[in-house]
Order: sequence, then structure tokens, then C-alpha cells
Amino acid sequence: AQTVTQSQPEMSVQEAETVTLSCTYDTSESDYYLFWYKQPPSRQMILVIRQEAYKQQNATENRFSVNFQKAAKSFSLKISDSQLGDAAMYFCAYNSNSGYALNFGKGTSLLVTP
Amino acid sequence: ETGVTQTPRHLVMGMTNKKSLKCEQHLGHNAMYWYKQSAKKPLELMFVYSLEERVENNSVPSRFSPECPNSSHLFLHLHTLQPEDSALYLCASSHGLGEETQYFGPGTRLLVL
Repeated sequence: AQTVTQSQPEMSVQEAETVTLSCTYDTSESDYYLFWYKQPPSRQMILVIRQEAYKQQNATENRFSVNFQKAAKSFSLKISDSQLGDAAMYFCAYNSNSGYALNFGKGTSLLVTP
Repeated sequence: ETGVTQTPRHLVMGMTNKKSLKCEQHLGHNAMYWYKQSAKKPLELMFVYSLEERVENNSVPSRFSPECPNSSHLFLHLHTLQPEDSALYLCASSHGLGEETQYFGPGTRLLVL
């Protein structure tokens, strides 16, 4: 079974600063997909970024980028120029090409201070 | 707005009630999912439907009964629930299974008294 670990229950960042959220996963598969989802207080789960394991290039979406280290099974999310609207729970998730479900970590609560 | 809607957004029910949660997706996707999100626990997959056929039933108690009448609609029928079933129930859809990105609805917050 695949497991996803987020070791930081809570993180804090000042507005305009950069923060990195950690995620590690365990799998024996070679073909899989990794995601970061954001869940603000509204509880809507919103896709932030997606990474295909076969791609060496790290995915980037505007202020959000990942550091994907396949050998280390690490998938961290970097948020640059943090904004108050970035405050939310952030979930790392895994899915394999042969799977159905997203396997989620327990989440990291991000607080953004003015 | 992700193109996935859920109703109701909030639900309070007694243990003897019967209620249904509804999910609708406007994305033309072929797969739909029910997840349960409880406090302090990772999201748990409950059911997966692909092309209206159930492909996964993740050891969910029979008091939860899914229904997928077509590829755009997914229901979760609830009966004789327990207080520990109180949680946020999230619906998601994707174009296909596996590597496809899943898009989530806003969830139904359920409280069982």
C-alpha cells in the first residue's frame, strides 16, 4: 500500500515571503502521479499542482512550484510571494497509473501573517 | 468553482433518519468518487464509479449506499447512521481512472445526532 507523509502539521509564513511544505511517499510503483491540493476554510478541495513521476522537470504553476526527488520519494511544495489568500490546509496526494483513489497525507495547515 | 456541485452543503440527521447526498459534475467526466474526511484523519476513499459501474467499494458499512444513475450524477444514500459517521463527505470526478486529476466538490458537512 502506498503511504503519504506530511511531517509538518502546521507552518507559518509572512506575507510576501517563501515557504516550503514537505511531503514524502512510499511506493513500489514506477509510474505514478503526485498532487498538491489546497483546502481553505470553505472546505473546497482545490488542485494546486500536479507532477508526473516520469517527468524530470519540476512542475510550476505561477507562485507554486515543486521539488520532486524521485529517488528520495520526496515531493515538496514551494509557495513564493505568499499571500493572505494562501492560508489553508495543504494536502499532498499520490495516485498510480493502475489505481483508483488518491492517497492523501494528513495535511499541513499554513498560516499567512501580515 | 470546479464544475462539481454537491447538495446539501450541511445536513443534520438523527440515527434513525434516511437521507441522500447528491453530487453532480458538469465536466464531461466518466469517473466519480465519494471520499470521507474526518477530523485528524486523511481523506478516505469510499466508492468509485467508472462509466456508471462501481469499481471500488472500500470496505464501507452497508448503512452507506451509493448510486450512480448516469455519468454526471452520484448519490450517497444514508440510513441508520452512527455519530462517528459525522464528517465532511466530498465528491470528486475525473476524466478517467488512474493518472487523471480529480476535481472536488465543496462537500457536505454531515452531523449525526
